[in-house]
Amino acid sequence: EIVLTQSPATLSLSPGERATLSCRASQSVSSYLAWYQQKPGQAPRLLIYDASNRATAIPARFSGSGSGTDFTLTISSLEPEDFAVYYCQQRTNWPLSITFGQGTRLEI
Amino acid sequence: QVQLQESGPGLVKPSQTLSLTCSVSGGSISSGNDDWSWIRQTPGKGLEWIGYIHYSGSTYYNPSLKSRLTILVDTSKNEFSLKLYSVTAADTAVYFCARREGGFDAFDIWGQGTMVTV
Repeated sequence: EIVLTQSPATLSLSPGERATLSCRASQSVSSYLAWYQQKPGQAPRLLIYDASNRATAIPARFSGSGSGTDFTLTISSLEPEDFAVYYCQQRTNWPLSITFGQGTRLEI
Repeated sequence: QVQLQESGPGLVKPSQTLSLTCSVSGGSISSGNDDWSWIRQTPGKGLEWIGYIHYSGSTYYNPSLKSRLTILVDTSKNEFSLKLYSVTAADTAVYFCARREGGFDAFDIWGQGTMVTV
């Protein structure tokens, strides 16, 4: 099983600041890496797929980068609604493996 | 706009079967190469993918749950279902259904989730 390790576990920032979240895979996942945002009591919301592509209606302040084993989600200028938990997720096909990271809590 | 809604008992006794249904609205479950997954979330283990089904009936299960798991699709009702057998307290979780659009590696549409306690 491919293990995704997210860091830091908690990130404390202020609105307007830049956030950088990391996700490291235990083996290469090529570019098959997605990022989600989850707020309390809600389902995860897809932000980024294929490592760097923004999902529909996701603001441009969210960007993803990386390939292989090291990935980054960057929020260029934090808005109050961005404070939430962020998860990375990988999918590899041969053999099929779908796993999530343990999450990074972004707090004010 | 496709929407997903989970339904089923919120309380299941140990050793019994957990059964959930995901209703798909605003689109067809038989659409192209989309596949339909179950995912669960616990405070301890985080998000765990359970398995998926394609409208053709083909499935793929998480190896860690495979021996206790069945996922079925009913295209006439536009829904798919989960059965997890011989449950224990470790199966207590919020269960989500989600869509992976064909050709992509991510889950773009999720149900709101349903809490199941064993």
